[in-house]
Amino acid sequence: GAGVSQSPRYKVTKRGQDVALRCDPISGHVSLYWYRQALGQGPEFLTYFNYEAQQDKSGLPNDRFSAERPEGSISTLTIQRTEQRDSAMYRCASSSTGAGEGYTFGSGTRLTVV
Amino acid sequence: ILNVEQSPQSLHVQEGDSTNFTCSFPSSNFYALHWYRWETAKSPEALFVMTLNGDEKKKGRISATLNTKEGYSYLYIKGSQPEDSATYLCAFQGYGGSQGNLIFGKGTKLSVKP
Repeated sequence: GAGVSQSPRYKVTKRGQDVALRCDPISGHVSLYWYRQALGQGPEFLTYFNYEAQQDKSGLPNDRFSAERPEGSISTLTIQRTEQRDSAMYRCASSSTGAGEGYTFGSGTRLTVV
Repeated sequence: ILNVEQSPQSLHVQEGDSTNFTCSFPSSNFYALHWYRWETAKSPEALFVMTLNGDEKKKGRISATLNTKEGYSYLYIKGSQPEDSATYLCAFQGYGGSQGNLIFGKGTKLSVKP
C-alpha cells in the first residue's frame, strides 16, 4: 500500500483479555519494526523482522508479548492477559532495507486496558 | 544500556528566529543517526539519516550535522515558522545483530509563536 497501515486504530480491552494488533507495511519493504510509545515520549523498541525472520525481540517487555510475520509481509503483535500497564500507543514502521534507511511509521494503535 | 540524550527538552521561539537542538549518542558501534519530526497526533516522519562523520544534510530550512567521533548531532532550523512546531526526535542505530533497533531520544519539543 501507499503507507504503513495499522489496525485497529483504537482498542479498549478488559484486563486479562488477549489482544492482537495488526501491521501492514509498505509493499516490498523488507524490514518491519514494532515500537511502543507512552504519552509524550519517544518510541521505545519492541521487536523487528527482516522478511519473516524475527531478528531481535529484546525489547518485548515479557513473555506475554509476541510477534510474528509469517509470510514476510503483514505482522501481528499479540499481548496475552493484558494488564493496565500495557496501555500505550503501539506503532509499526517499515523500511526498504533496514540499513541506514529512514523508517516510515504507521498511525499506530492506541491500546487502553481497563 | 545505550543512552540517546536530546537537549533542550523544549524550546519556545518567535516566528523568524533560527534555532538548533542537540542529540548525544554513543560514539562506539555507530551505524547511523536518524532525525524524525513528530506532530503529536501523527506518526514520526523521517527527516534525515546520516551515516558518515562530518555529514551535513539539508531539507529546505532544516539542516543537520553529524560528529560520530564525539557522539553528537545538531539539527538547525533557519527562520522558524509556526508550522515547524513539533517534537524533533533523534535515534541511534548501531552495528551488529540489533541493527534494526533504533534507540530514540525523548525529543525536543519546539513551539514557534506567530
